Amino acid sequence: AQKITQTQPGMFVQEKEAVTLDCTYDTSDPSYGLFWYKQPSSGEMIFLIYQGSYDQQNATEGRYSLNFQKARKSANLVISASQLGDSAMYFCAMRENRDDKIIFGKGTRLHILP
Amino acid sequence: DVKVTQSSRYLVKRTGEKVFLECVQDMDHENMFWYRQDPGLGLRLIYFSYDVKMKEKGDIPEGYSVSREKKERFSLILESASTNQTSMYLCASRGPGALGRYEQYFGPGTRLTVT
Repeated sequence: AQKITQTQPGMFVQEKEAVTLDCTYDTSDPSYGLFWYKQPSSGEMIFLIYQGSYDQQNATEGRYSLNFQKARKSANLVISASQLGDSAMYFCAMRENRDDKIIFGKGTRLHILP
Repeated sequence: DVKVTQSSRYLVKRTGEKVFLECVQDMDHENMFWYRQDPGLGLRLIYFSYDVKMKEKGDIPEGYSVSREKKERFSLILESASTNQTSMYLCASRGPGALGRYEQYFGPGTRLTVT
């Protein structure tokens, strides 16, 4: 069974609109971390935001925020006021404390339209 | 800023050749990783290393080996390249990071084509 599921293979969004990229995860480890990475066409993976399983508040980093719903095992990335430069592939990933493995989802390709 | 560099952005090799992909990081990170990325499959872990001379198999180690003689350098070796190893290869390093997040820092990737 997939441990990280990103159900949106592709999305098209108008510039300046907010974007929500979905991510659900599956783990029985009570201690884990969730990550989002951005991969532009250049290929480099860029770390965006992190949420720990015990963090009380949703993580925010500038225009990025993570909508963490622990009971639903959901960790959606929200990008506010999207820009053309946000067009990229986005990956959700999880690290389980018990084995320290990092598992990536298959990604969502985001296209921002002018 | 963490910098992870990979020896080549693009590489074309012939079937049966021995291929070396080099990765260097400058942040004194102990953990280093090699992934391959294929369309529709996301990132898959090939090998990782938690320290010098230490290596662990990831999810898809077949056909690959690694070498970590120095802390900053982690090499991926394709002993006899095959066409099904045509892929994007990404190297990453990791330290405890801010607040113990253990986020990974990635290199720019090497797009390998085996003909």
